Amino acid sequence: EDQVTQSPEALRLQEGESSSLNCSYTVSGLRGLFWYRQDPGKGPEFLFTLYSAGEEKEKERLKATLTKKESFLHITAPKPEDSATYLCAVGNNYGQNFVFGPGTRLSVLP
Amino acid sequence: ETGVTQSPTHLIKTRGQQVTLRCSSQSGHNTVSWYQQALGQGPQFIFQYYREEENGRGNFPPRFSGLQFPNYSSELNVNALELDDSALYLCASRITGEEETQYFGPGTRLLVL
Repeated sequence: EDQVTQSPEALRLQEGESSSLNCSYTVSGLRGLFWYRQDPGKGPEFLFTLYSAGEEKEKERLKATLTKKESFLHITAPKPEDSATYLCAVGNNYGQNFVFGPGTRLSVLP
Repeated sequence: ETGVTQSPTHLIKTRGQQVTLRCSSQSGHNTVSWYQQALGQGPQFIFQYYREEENGRGNFPPRFSGLQFPNYSSELNVNALELDDSALYLCASRITGEEETQYFGPGTRLLVL
């Protein structure tokens, strides 16, 4: 059974204090690993798709990396507006759906 | 903005009632998936429709059913509502056969009393 875990569950950073969020996964044939940002009461907002180990993608202060067992979302010099829940999901080669992790709740304090 | 819209935004029902939630997919997307997200948890897959047929289902009972229409809009129907059905219901769309990324709508918040 495909599984996704995320750590930490919650993270508080000072503005400008860089850190990383972890997503560990087991999947029967990776079709893609996906990062989303979700603000309270809203739908997930797409950030990145990674397809193979070694792949990296960047967008503003965010950088996502992928290995065969985990993915990291690096946040460089975060700002208060980066506060949100960050969700990781995987798709496999046999199913049609995503399996999501529980998310990491990030708070960036000014 | 993803182009995926959902209605209504909020809904209050009582236990035992039935509810229909609606989704309009992003233009050109032929696949729609529905997810249930309880407070503080990640989204859980309910089912997926491609070309108006269900082609994948998560661990949800048959009282959760759906439809996809030729214009790629979709409905989620839930019968015999239970208190545990209170959640944010999310619709996501993509193009099967091209990129794998799903794009989500804003969700419908359902409260069952």
